[in-house]
Amino acid sequence: DADVTQTPRNRITKTGKRIMLECSQTKGHDRMYWYRQDPGLGLQLIYYSFDVKDINKGEISDGYSVSRQAQAKFSLSLESAIPNQTALYFCATSDPRGSYNEQFFGPGTRLTVL
Amino acid sequence: GENVEQHPSTLSVQEGDSAVIKCTYSDSASNYFPWYKQELGKGPQLIIDIRSNVGEKKDQRIAVTLNKTAKHFSLHITETQPEDSAVYFCAAYTGGFKTIFGAGTRLFVKA
Repeated sequence: DADVTQTPRNRITKTGKRIMLECSQTKGHDRMYWYRQDPGLGLQLIYYSFDVKDINKGEISDGYSVSRQAQAKFSLSLESAIPNQTALYFCATSDPRGSYNEQFFGPGTRLTVL
Repeated sequence: GENVEQHPSTLSVQEGDSAVIKCTYSDSASNYFPWYKQELGKGPQLIIDIRSNVGEKKDQRIAVTLNKTAKHFSLHITETQPEDSAVYFCAAYTGGFKTIFGAGTRLFVKA
């Protein structure tokens, strides 16, 4: 089955550490996204990429960076983690040829920053 | 800016009863309204959607309604079952890259 996978699934780290969250997809989609989920706030867009050479900031990009290593891989980095970055992080893909930007989500990474 | 408001934040129903979740969007140019279900330990998954040229859509026990004039859309689940327990997100899409999500509704179905 074509899928979206994320590693790690859970991570506990300390303030000031550098963290990388990885996303891979076998759907063949060009568009990839990173979202953050906090209780009561829904899904907030951090970064998105429409192809390997395209990187764009979302609504909450401060403190994060991304790398699109290939069509299938999109990584999110926290250069110096802080406690208020504790959240659930989702990677998603969409197919620009499809209608209306339906998004396919990975299983999420639960990040705790102590 | 664009936003989507979703209510209630938590909903508890008895098995077999109906559940209704309501959303309001701000951007009148929005033309596509998906609903996602997020089960424990999983990412959100599309369960039903509606386009702006349609007022209602039904898929078995799930239906969505859209009132473009009022900028309201709703998810209706009939004959609820314990496996319907999850977090549900509404969303609105205007075009380009951006899908705006509601804050989510945690639905509990009591057996």
